[in-house]
Amino acid sequence: EVQLLESGGGLVQPGGSLRLSCAVSGFTFSNFIMSWVRQVPGKGLEWVSAISGSAGRIYYGDSVKGRFTISRDNFRKSLYLQMNGLRVEDTAIYYCARVSGKEGYFDLWGRGTLVTVSS
Amino acid sequence: EIELTQSPATLSFSPGDRATLSCRASQSISTYLAWYQQKPGQAPRLLISDASNRATAVPARFSGSGSGTDFTLTISTLEPEDFAVYYCQQRTNWSITFGQGTRLEIK
Repeated sequence: EVQLLESGGGLVQPGGSLRLSCAVSGFTFSNFIMSWVRQVPGKGLEWVSAISGSAGRIYYGDSVKGRFTISRDNFRKSLYLQMNGLRVEDTAIYYCARVSGKEGYFDLWGRGTLVTVSS
Repeated sequence: EIELTQSPATLSFSPGDRATLSCRASQSISTYLAWYQQKPGQAPRLLISDASNRATAVPARFSGSGSGTDFTLTISTLEPEDFAVYYCQQRTNWSITFGQGTRLEIK
């Protein structure tokens, strides 16, 4: 079964750090660009970051550049997001998403993990 | 950063109606546009890529059109399960942005 399963969300204080993980099954993980997309509950979607299959190309949205780091482990079929310097406005559901081919569209999504930044 | 504007924020239709949703880009994005459907408590689902290509298993009642700055998602005959929020998304040089969404509600 094709599946993306996020974990690692929780409550963290402003300025704190958190590491999200996404475990993948059902497809050849190393062949796909992977991404993180977030959504404030009840609000719209915001693209966060993407990483190529070999991890040779990495991209970030402006709002997280310099604070978040995306990485992957193709042997473990896992995607990660290290989030440092967290801000209240980073509070959101974080989705792991597979990128369709070489394009920047998201054809497979996990169920998301909630990150809450609050004192 | 390219902005996508979806208007109106909410549309009201009855099952069986034809619905047309709009997405406008702040500058030309060729046909690099996708549409997603999101239901409460669920992740988004890809419906359309490259403005007009239906994704796998998406019913034929969904169609997309447009190029440049103006795009449309059409649902030819609304089914009860189509009432949801719809987002457009553009991809240009890995500066990806989404529209703010249009909620399709039952009249």
